[in-house]
Amino acid sequence: DTGVSQDPRHKITKRGQNVTFRCDPISEHNRLYWYRQTLGQGPEFLTYFQNEAQLEKSRLLSDRFSAERPKGSFSTLEIQRTEQGDSAMYLCASSLDQGWRTQYFGPGTRLLVL
Amino acid sequence: GQQLNQSPQSMFIQEGEDVSMNCTSSSIFNTWLWYKQDPGEGPVLLIALYKAGELTSNGRLTAQFGITRKDSFLNISASIPSDVGIYFCAGQQTGNTGKLIFGQGTTLQVKP
Repeated sequence: DTGVSQDPRHKITKRGQNVTFRCDPISEHNRLYWYRQTLGQGPEFLTYFQNEAQLEKSRLLSDRFSAERPKGSFSTLEIQRTEQGDSAMYLCASSLDQGWRTQYFGPGTRLLVL
Repeated sequence: GQQLNQSPQSMFIQEGEDVSMNCTSSSIFNTWLWYKQDPGEGPVLLIALYKAGELTSNGRLTAQFGITRKDSFLNISASIPSDVGIYFCAGQQTGNTGKLIFGQGTTLQVKP
C-alpha cells in the first residue's frame, strides 16, 4: 500500500507568481486534508475534503489560496500572487471514512518565495 | 491558530535513557495522536489514542490519553540514536471533520 505522495517536493518561486501543488492520498482514503507548517512550529490546518466536497476551510486560507479535489482522488492547492509569508512546508494527509480519526501524512512540499 | 502546549521544547539525552514528553490543552479532545518528523519530511504516525485513560504501546513507545481528556504523554524507553527527531502531539476535538490541532513539538537529540 503506497503512502500519501506530494509533488513537487520543493518549489522556489518569485513573489507574485502562482504555484500549484498536488497531493495523491492513500488509495481508497476519501478524506483529504491540507496543512501548512512554518519553521519551528507544528502543522496548522488549512482545509478538508470528503470525497470531492470541500467541507471546511481555515481562516488561514486567504482568498489567494484555492484547493480542489475534482474527482475525489488527488487534490491540488494553488496559491496565487505568492508573498514571502507564504514560504512554508505544505503537508497533505489522508484518512478513511471509517477510521477517520487516524491521518497519514505525505512528505510535504517545501515552498520558498523570494 | 490554536495549538496545544507541548513540553519540553527540547531534550538532549544519553543513548539508553528513557524519555518522557507531554501535551496539555485547556480544551477537551476525543483523539490524541503522536507523530515523529525528520527534517524535510512529513510527520510519521507513531501512536493513536481514542479513549480517555487508554494506554497504548508501539515497541519502545508508550502513550496515554489523559483521564481529563485534556492531556496526553509519550514515553520512549531505552532511547537509541535513530530516535532523534521532532515529536508532535496532535488532538482532535468533537466533531466529524477530523482536523488536527498540533503542539509545537519536542526536539529530541540522543548522544551515542
